[in-house]
Amino acid sequence: DGGITQSPKYLFRKEGQNVTLSCEQNLNHDAMYWYRQDPGQGLRLIYYSQIVNDFQKGDIAEGYSVSREKKESFPLTVTSAQKNPTAFYLCASSPPDFSHTFGSGTRLTVV
Amino acid sequence: GENVEQHPSTLSVQEGDSAVIKCTYSDSASNYFPWYKQELGKRPQLIIDIRSNVGEKKDQRIAVTLNKTAKHFSLHITETQPEDSAVYFCAASIRPRDYKLSFGAGTTVTVRA
Repeated sequence: DGGITQSPKYLFRKEGQNVTLSCEQNLNHDAMYWYRQDPGQGLRLIYYSQIVNDFQKGDIAEGYSVSREKKESFPLTVTSAQKNPTAFYLCASSPPDFSHTFGSGTRLTVV
Repeated sequence: GENVEQHPSTLSVQEGDSAVIKCTYSDSASNYFPWYKQELGKRPQLIIDIRSNVGEKKDQRIAVTLNKTAKHFSLHITETQPEDSAVYFCAASIRPRDYKLSFGAGTTVTVRA
C-alpha cells in the first residue's frame, strides 16, 4: 500500500480490552503519525513522532499510547481508558519537508 | 496551535462545472498547505500542495491559490467529472519547525451527472 502498511484492516475490541494497531513503513521517512477519523469528521491527530525514540501527544492523546523503537514502525495501543474507541484509524509518514503518505487504515469497533 | 477552518462542508455541482473549496488558517507562520482527496472507505491521497512563497499552483484541472495577507487558501477544480466525487481536506503546517499537519474538517463534493 504505497510503502506504508497498516494491520489489521478490521479490529474488534471488547469492553475493557487493550488493542494494538500496527503501522509499518519502508519509505525511510523520519516522521510518523496516528490520526483518528469519525464519520463525517476530519482527521484528528492522536500522536506523532519526528524521530526514533521520541514522540509527542496530538490533540486527542488521552486513552492511547505509542512507541517508536524503530524508524519503520509506530504501533498504536488503544487502552481501556479510551471510552469511545470506535473509529477509523489512519497512520501516516512523511520526510522532513513534504506531505504525508497515508496507510489504508484500520477500522476499530467495540463489541 | 494552528486552527484550520474549511467551507463549505458539502458541495454539489453539475458535471462540467467548477468547484471551489476555501480554507482559512490562524497562524501566520504557517507556510505549507497540502490538499487531500479521500474516496469512500479509502485513505487520503495528496492531490496538490502549495508553499507560502507561491501565490498559485496548477495541475491539470486542479489549482490552489494562497492569500497570505488574508490567511486563506482555496482549491479550484474545473470541468468536474463524476470521479471527482470525494471528501477533500485542506491542511496547514509550519515547516521545517513542525512536521505535523492541522486539517480542516473536510468538504464532501458530489458531482451530478
